[in-house]
Amino acid sequence: DTAVSQTPKYLVTQMGNDKSIKCEQNLGHDTMYWYKQDSKKFLKIMFSYNNKELIINETVPNRFSPKSPDKAHLNLHINSLELGDSAVYFCASSLPSGANVLTFGAGSRLTVL
Amino acid sequence: SQQGEEDPQALSIQEGENATMNCSYKTSINNLQWYRQNSGRGLVHLILIRSNEREKHSGRLRVTLDTSKKSSSLLITASRAADTASYFCATDSTGNQFYFGTGTSLTVIP
Repeated sequence: DTAVSQTPKYLVTQMGNDKSIKCEQNLGHDTMYWYKQDSKKFLKIMFSYNNKELIINETVPNRFSPKSPDKAHLNLHINSLELGDSAVYFCASSLPSGANVLTFGAGSRLTVL
Repeated sequence: SQQGEEDPQALSIQEGENATMNCSYKTSINNLQWYRQNSGRGLVHLILIRSNEREKHSGRLRVTLDTSKKSSSLLITASRAADTASYFCATDSTGNQFYFGTGTSLTVIP
């Protein structure tokens, strides 16, 4: 009954590969996000979707492509992985407006070798 | 940049002491939130303060907000070893855009 679940939790891959991280929320929230947390713990927003529509794209390389098949899912596909993509990627969700808070998943640690 | 900036970056205190961490930001906001992250886990929401509020309490947590200085503080009273974690502030300007900083790493020594 996890509220925001993301898979896989750990991902180790070679440079140049393509990989995906999946996220699902069962909270009935309309808005979902991807955040990237680097080794210094800086948490940077990457994308935000509201009811399957992209609303934030924060200057992320186009190797990163989010896909939202429905409002409960937001997947992240990364092409041609680079060393600098190594980070922890967090999925989160919230209600669409007002003084809302984020509910985070447990994170997916991506290591690019 | 819209990101918040926490200060100090790291804080180490004895159990029972109070811990204070600060957050500064650059743009106008609707509200400011504090989150906690235990090692290897996702962030968990602690408390939200709206732009028209100056102080808010929740259990051992006390948050202040000074919109004229674009700053906030989080006070944890009577700290416990279990409070050891990283603490992040997040600013919300439009209702669905949340910007975080690098956090304050708090260590509470038993």
